[in-house]
Amino acid sequence: QVQLVESGGGVVQPGRSLRLSCEASGFTFTNYTFHWVRQAPGKGLEWVTLMSSDGSHKLYADSVKGRFTISRDSSKSTLYLQMNSLRPEDTALYYCAREVETTTNWFDPWGQGTPVTVSS
Amino acid sequence: DIQMTQSPSSLSAAVGDTVSISCRASQSVTNFLNWYQQKPGKAPKVLIHAVFRLQSGVPSRFSGSGSGTDFTLTISNLQPEDFATYYCQQSYNIPITFGQGTRLEIK
Repeated sequence: QVQLVESGGGVVQPGRSLRLSCEASGFTFTNYTFHWVRQAPGKGLEWVTLMSSDGSHKLYADSVKGRFTISRDSSKSTLYLQMNSLRPEDTALYYCAREVETTTNWFDPWGQGTPVTVSS
Repeated sequence: DIQMTQSPSSLSAAVGDTVSISCRASQSVTNFLNWYQQKPGKAPKVLIHAVFRLQSGVPSRFSGSGSGTDFTLTISNLQPEDFATYYCQQSYNIPITFGQGTRLEIK
């Protein structure tokens, strides 16, 4: 079935780096735009970044621009989020989501999330 | 950035009730408005996309309406499994933005 599975989260000190992965299955990976969305503990949803289906467009939230990089390995149907210069405010559950596009667009499905804690 | 404001932030209702959640955008998002449901410890799940289009498998007691800047999610005949947090989302512009969420609790 259509599924996204994130991994790579953990506890990291401020200023350090972490790479998250999101493995897709059940559909053709390169046909879709993908997003990362995060949710701080007890808080709402914050969009982080997207990569277009052809890989040519990458856009970022201002809060992570210059620190985070989205990428993919199509041969592995896997999306990545490289997070550098991490800050305590980056602490959150990170979800990857597939964008479904018709005349509008929405996110479906979402992965189960991988937790990132930035703390000394 | 387009700001999405939901009201109320929390809501208490009983099984069988009908409730409505409002979502207002700071500028027009045309019909690029989606609703998600999130249960504790789970990922969000799309309920409605393009204002009123029900996602496959979502019960018909969920409905959406509105246009431009003002949107409403209505849940009729509340069931125990509907008690969750609901988010609106605009996908009209980058950055994609979400409302702050509405927590629906059992009375």
